[in-house]
Amino acid sequence: SQELEQSPQSLIVQEGKNLTINCTSSKTLYGLYWYKQKYGEGLIFLMMLQKGGEEKSHEKITAKLDEKKQQSSLHITASQPSHAGIYLCGAGFSGTYKYIFGTGTRLKVLA
Amino acid sequence: SQTIHQWPATLVQPVGSPLSLECTVEGTSNPNLYWYRQAAGRGLQLLFYSVGIGQISSEVPQNLSASRPQDRQFILSSKKLLLSDSGFYLCAWRPLRQSNYGYTFGSGTRLTVV
Repeated sequence: SQELEQSPQSLIVQEGKNLTINCTSSKTLYGLYWYKQKYGEGLIFLMMLQKGGEEKSHEKITAKLDEKKQQSSLHITASQPSHAGIYLCGAGFSGTYKYIFGTGTRLKVLA
Repeated sequence: SQTIHQWPATLVQPVGSPLSLECTVEGTSNPNLYWYRQAAGRGLQLLFYSVGIGQISSEVPQNLSASRPQDRQFILSSKKLLLSDSGFYLCAWRPLRQSNYGYTFGSGTRLTVV
């Protein structure tokens, strides 16, 4: 079973609209990372969250990690075509060196 | 500064041929190293990770193998490629003990098996 689930799998929004992507784990996360990718290209690091309840923002993107450290959300305000791509959450887990990715969310922004 | 090199960038190989993808890290020691694969339209799947020379953990039993002959070198191999091995392969590293550091990814290798 997938240890990191993302929702939705895909999203199409009109330019200017806000949107939220979720990343959920059944286990306590040891660091949660958000990335953006275009398929076949490298990952662009967006943000890292480590503490329960932590929230970080960069430009129009805000990411939050819940108090239990099992769920994170990525929120984009006033989306633009440049926000289009695949958004991936990545996480490590306590007691292991494994680092895995969520299932990914494909975002398309219509101009 | 730390950098990660991955090559080749693209590769077209016939079915049944061998494979060797190399990843090297500079500017650090004792990194954790990772290999991922991304099939078209799908997420990143962890294939192997290594916490030290000669130490390889396999996440998905398949046609591939990994080796770490040196501290900062991670190699992904196959003796006989299958069509299903096509995809985008990414190498990544992070410091062994620093939990505040993020993961750094290579630029990837696009493998097409024909």
